[in-house]
Amino acid sequence: LAKTTQPISMDSYEGQEVNITCSHNNIATNDYITWYQQFPSQGPRFIIQGYKTKVTNEVASLFIPADRKSSTLSLPRVSLSDTAVYYCLVGDAGGYNKLIFGAGTRLAVHP
Amino acid sequence: GAVVSQHPSWVICKSGTSVKIECRSLDFQATTMFWYRQFPKQSLMLMATSNEGSKATYEQGVEKDKFLINHASLTLSTLTVTSAHPEDSSFYICSARAYHSGTRDTEAFFGQGTRLTVV
Repeated sequence: LAKTTQPISMDSYEGQEVNITCSHNNIATNDYITWYQQFPSQGPRFIIQGYKTKVTNEVASLFIPADRKSSTLSLPRVSLSDTAVYYCLVGDAGGYNKLIFGAGTRLAVHP
Repeated sequence: GAVVSQHPSWVICKSGTSVKIECRSLDFQATTMFWYRQFPKQSLMLMATSNEGSKATYEQGVEKDKFLINHASLTLSTLTVTSAHPEDSSFYICSARAYHSGTRDTEAFFGQGTRLTVV
């Protein structure tokens, strides 16, 4: 399972765009990149998943360069409610493979 | 999306007693579920993989006799913390993967977690 590295914490202000980068140098050919959000005392929640280039949904964008050794989660115009821990995970999206969580990035959004 | 439900959301028990936590997949069948524990300010740590109709697979360092897992049906897995002690106090989270319709890709869904406090 590919290991991921993220910044431990980040600070931002309401209305700003936040970009969280994750390194995964040993990503395998079949691996997808998935980001989860976790609020205190809750289970993680799926944000976005991608394999290459750019993926966008209603809450975030995911940018993946051609070598796929890193990825960037982009949160447009964050609000206070986006304060949470964000986890980047790498693994085969098929089947029932287990997910191994790294340390995650603790994002604090300030007024 | 698919829903995974845990029960109870929180529980307080006395040291030496056992506590059972249930994890249900509400609108899909889950032949495989995963159990995590999370200490304050830390990441999720995978404890074991629960397989329907067979024995669970435990991660290294997790005591299988301490954390009993039963996956008796396609929608229910249970984690029993036996002879609980204060150091077992933690946030326990279960997860199951559901297939995206028409693809081989799956997405992991997580329960809301169970806060266990052993006094």
